[in-house]
Amino acid sequence: NAGVTQTPKFQVLKTGQSMTLQCAQDMNHEYMSWYRQDPGMGLRLIHYSVGAGITDQGEVPNGYNVSRSTTEDFPLRLLSAAPSQTSVYFCASSYGSGGAGGTDTQYFGPGTRLTVL
Amino acid sequence: AQSVTQLDSHVSVSEGTPVLLRCNYSSSYSPSLFWYVQHPNKGLQLLLKYTSAATLVKGINGFEAEFKKSETSFHLTKPSAHMSDAAEYFCVVSEWGGNKLVFGAGTILRVKS
Repeated sequence: NAGVTQTPKFQVLKTGQSMTLQCAQDMNHEYMSWYRQDPGMGLRLIHYSVGAGITDQGEVPNGYNVSRSTTEDFPLRLLSAAPSQTSVYFCASSYGSGGAGGTDTQYFGPGTRLTVL
Repeated sequence: AQSVTQLDSHVSVSEGTPVLLRCNYSSSYSPSLFWYVQHPNKGLQLLLKYTSAATLVKGINGFEAEFKKSETSFHLTKPSAHMSDAAEYFCVVSEWGGNKLVFGAGTILRVKS
């Protein structure tokens, strides 16, 4: 198993450009999510999906779009990049079987480092 | 709403001495609690998790954490630090079965030789 893969590893954009960060998993996980990591702030949830065709917003969704057409893929789109979106982006997946006090474990991808000039 | 406070942004210890990384949480429900580690320019690795079973949780690489509901704490400890433990550590809470994670700001652990 490749686990959770992310592409690209690095990306530099100019303000106003658009791009898609790719995330794929081969573990047949139902739950997938995107986080951004900024210094001194830990990771913050952007969007998540509990299965194909179902997505919802996390803590910091503004400026980002997602869709989930297959179980395997969960791309993150930046429609008009801004310098405030300079960050490291992590995709994660899990079986999605956890309820309150459940035992789901998140599997994180290696991250994409994005710089917006 | 759930939240996590990591009480120290930086901790420095000598190799071979104990490690204590402090974490307090706030949650309206019975939470799941986690510690993740991130080595420089690497992804995140799960150290250990608490999910309402035993209050003392053992993880990888000799780390353990104790869940104390009365103190709303989940401190991470290790009896003897190793140089390879130098990394950033995140305390994480989830009210949604291990999903929709809420991260603390992180504690950078420095290990001196």
